[in-house]
Amino acid sequence: AQKVTQAQTEISVVEKEDVTLDCVYETRDTTYYLFWYKQPPSGELVFLIRRNSFDEQNEISGRYSWNFQKSTSSFNFTITASQVVDSAVYFCALSERKTSYDKVIFGPGTSLSVIP
Amino acid sequence: DGGITQSPKYLFRKEGQNVTLSCEQNLNHDAMYWYRQDPGQGLRLIYYSQIVNDFQKGDIAEGYSVSREKKESFPLTVTSAQKNPTAFYLCASSPGTGFDTQYFGPGTRLTVL
Repeated sequence: AQKVTQAQTEISVVEKEDVTLDCVYETRDTTYYLFWYKQPPSGELVFLIRRNSFDEQNEISGRYSWNFQKSTSSFNFTITASQVVDSAVYFCALSERKTSYDKVIFGPGTSLSVIP
Repeated sequence: DGGITQSPKYLFRKEGQNVTLSCEQNLNHDAMYWYRQDPGQGLRLIYYSQIVNDFQKGDIAEGYSVSREKKESFPLTVTSAQKNPTAFYLCASSPGTGFDTQYFGPGTRLTVL
């Protein structure tokens, strides 16, 4: 069963529009971490944010903001005033503790295209 | 600058040949990982290593092998037993495995001709 769902496969927005990328996760653990990564066309995954399961405070970093809601098992990512450089594939990921290490499960990704 | 390097960026292989992908990090991280990415899909874990001289199979280890003789190096060999090796391969490292953030290299795109 998929544990990280990113229902939006592709999104296109016009520059300066706001856009929200959805992430829904599934876990039985009480302690876990959530991540967002950006993969630009060059291919390298760039780390954006790490959030633990006990911290539901929303976070803002420049044009980026994240909304973590345990009640709905969601960790959504909003880009305000989008720019062409935001065009990339964005991955949400869940880290759970397993027997010997903390496995990271990646969602399928959302491809964002920002049109000038 | 600290970071993770992968080489080569593009690799072409004939069927039946083994090929080794390089991954080096100078972040002094204990843990290293190899992932495979297929078009339109997320990342799948091939192998991981928590410390030198130790490594464990991930979800799709069949047809792959690794070694971890040095802390900074974690090469991946794609063997001829891997039925569908054409993919994008990403190496990552993290300080440890206690929910630490994984940092990624630029990737190697392998194409089997």
